[in-house]
Amino acid sequence: GESVGLHLPTLSVQEGDNSIINCAYSNSASDYFIWYKQESGKGPQFIIDIRSNMDKRQGQRVTVLLNKTVKHLSLQIAATQPGDSAVYFCAENAVTGNQFYFGTGTSLTVIP
Amino acid sequence: KAGVTQTPRYLIKTRGQQVTLSCSPISGHRSVSWYQQTPGQGLQFLFEYFSETQRNKGNFPGRFSGRQFSNSRSEMNVSTLELGDSALYLCASSEGQGLNTGELFFGEGSRLTVL
Repeated sequence: GESVGLHLPTLSVQEGDNSIINCAYSNSASDYFIWYKQESGKGPQFIIDIRSNMDKRQGQRVTVLLNKTVKHLSLQIAATQPGDSAVYFCAENAVTGNQFYFGTGTSLTVIP
Repeated sequence: KAGVTQTPRYLIKTRGQQVTLSCSPISGHRSVSWYQQTPGQGLQFLFEYFSETQRNKGNFPGRFSGRQFSNSRSEMNVSTLELGDSALYLCASSEGQGLNTGELFFGEGSRLTVL
């Protein structure tokens, strides 16, 4: 079955530094990926998405990179701020299905 | 536009009981998905409904069921509750026109505790 995993369960960065959160996926048929941010007591919030016909997409302070060769996804957060402290999930959606598979999450802590 | 609304936000049940959770999607969204989130785990897909039809189902036992109404509101039910059912149950809506449902918009979740 599909599996979406994260390399690191926790990540601590200094305020102002860049953060990189990684994610591996196993379903080569997946063609749509989303990064979500979940703050304590809240539901996941959309950050950025990317389709399999792209290898990079940029948003405001965030960049998602997709490497289909090694089935790897990463989220880069520039100039990390205390408000970025949260759990980050990657999710994949296979072209043949309507359900998303989520990773276990990486907890990002920003040190002021 | 109002977001995804889930009720109740918190509830406590005992083993053997059953529970019904409700979700009102964003206006205009026809796809509603349900996920279970437990400590240390990612979100586990339960099922997805589109226009009152279940399109996909995850690997959960038959005690977990759901339905969607004509106004796109959805409910999920868990019967014969077990301690392991304690979790945050998240509902997400999307436009869901095609196979690729697109961005999911999540509610705040219903936190279920089974004693």
